[in-house]
Amino acid sequence: QSALTQPASVSGSPGQSITISCTGTSSNIGSYDLVSWYQQHPGEAPKLLIYEGSKRPSGVSNRFSGSKSGNTASLTISGLQAEDEADYYCYSYAGSSTWVFGGGTKLTVL
Amino acid sequence: QVQLVQSGTEVKKPGASVKVSCKTSGYTFTSYDVHWVRQAPGQGLEWMGLINPSSGGTSYAQKFRGTVTMTRDTSTSTFHMELSSLRSEDTAVYYCARVSEYSSSFFDYWGQGTLVTVSS
Repeated sequence: QSALTQPASVSGSPGQSITISCTGTSSNIGSYDLVSWYQQHPGEAPKLLIYEGSKRPSGVSNRFSGSKSGNTASLTISGLQAEDEADYYCYSYAGSSTWVFGGGTKLTVL
Repeated sequence: QVQLVQSGTEVKKPGASVKVSCKTSGYTFTSYDVHWVRQAPGQGLEWMGLINPSSGGTSYAQKFRGTVTMTRDTSTSTFHMELSSLRSEDTAVYYCARVSEYSSSFFDYWGQGTLVTVSS
């Protein structure tokens, strides 16, 4: 049960768009449409941004969007804002009642 | 309103065990699975396992099989996570998280986290 692979860091300027990838295998992301994404600010619990790959909960800005292709899920943040600076995690079902997180990506807003 | 309130900070010696609790309120206790997630200092989130509060059935990450035990107490609407044979690498913040009413594939409520420090 290895962690899903995310880039350690990404950066962008205010107003720009960035995409964070989350690569798994055919045993997790590739087999299920059950990827969610979380945002975590320092010292806080994670906050849900996207569920079931591309669905956005009420209250989450439409600047956040998710997609999946094969064994890779992606989170795109458009119109970057200073408050988007945080850590981001993908999370997926991995079969046999087990789940797995990505290693996390630190987003820096320049 | 839904709340998950965890027990306080723990300091343990290597080889000892720790039991973290997660007291819930504001919803029907037996309706939603609770997962445990940990985060070592400066590191990412790590899924540890889950418990079905209705049946008490559990599923653990392979890494933790043999050292973690997740239980629930329906009389007090409380979940417990016990980790044994502690090592320094188990120093982390431990979170309980409830799955959503909509789907068990994501979390909508989290506890505030419990810091467990393992040090001699």
